[in-house]
Amino acid sequence: EVQLVESGGDLVQPGRSLRLSCVASGFRIDDYAMHWVRQVPGKGLEWVSGISWHGGNLVYADSVKGRFTISRDNGNNSLYLQMNSLRGEDTALYYCAKDRELGLNDAFDIWGQGTMVTVSS
Amino acid sequence: SYVLTQPPSVSVAPGKTARITCGGSNIGSKRVHWYQQRPGQAPVLVMSSDTDRPSGIPERFSGSNSGNTATLTISRVEVGDEADYYCQVWDSSRDQQVFGGGTKVTVL
Repeated sequence: EVQLVESGGDLVQPGRSLRLSCVASGFRIDDYAMHWVRQVPGKGLEWVSGISWHGGNLVYADSVKGRFTISRDNGNNSLYLQMNSLRGEDTALYYCAKDRELGLNDAFDIWGQGTMVTVSS
Repeated sequence: SYVLTQPPSVSVAPGKTARITCGGSNIGSKRVHWYQQRPGQAPVLVMSSDTDRPSGIPERFSGSNSGNTATLTISRVEVGDEADYYCQVWDSSRDQQVFGGGTKVTVL
């Protein structure tokens, strides 16, 4: 079965760090760009970050630029999101999503079920 | 930054046609993708590159894109189509993906 499984979400204090992971099964991520998308419960989708198939091209939303870092380990079929200097407005359900193509500009055809990040003191 | 505008809600009777719009500056020059998100579930791609329907998506779903408006059309609406729908484009001027605010489709 083709799927993405996120983990690492937690309750964390403002200013602290957290690392999210996403493991793919049923396909190899090597040939695809990958993304993180977040959603505040009850609100809309917000794209967070994307990484090209080889990891050489990283892109970020303005709201997280300089604080979050996306990375991938194709050998372990995994995607990561290092989140530093967390703020209350980062509280959301974080989805991992597969791009249909090598680059970063196509549709997302596979999504995980999400991992919840709560930033609060 | 590039902005996509969707109506917050659309109501439609079963068996009728729902049209969900996504407005953006010269959006007709971009490839628009659409996602369906049912309550408590992850988004599902229902239309890509304006008019391409992924495998498993009913033929009742169709898309168009021209000028400043892209549209997802759901024909012969069923109760199971009740969900939130989001449009998405790639903003090449900023190298960012952009989502619309979402439209809640209610089947009366």
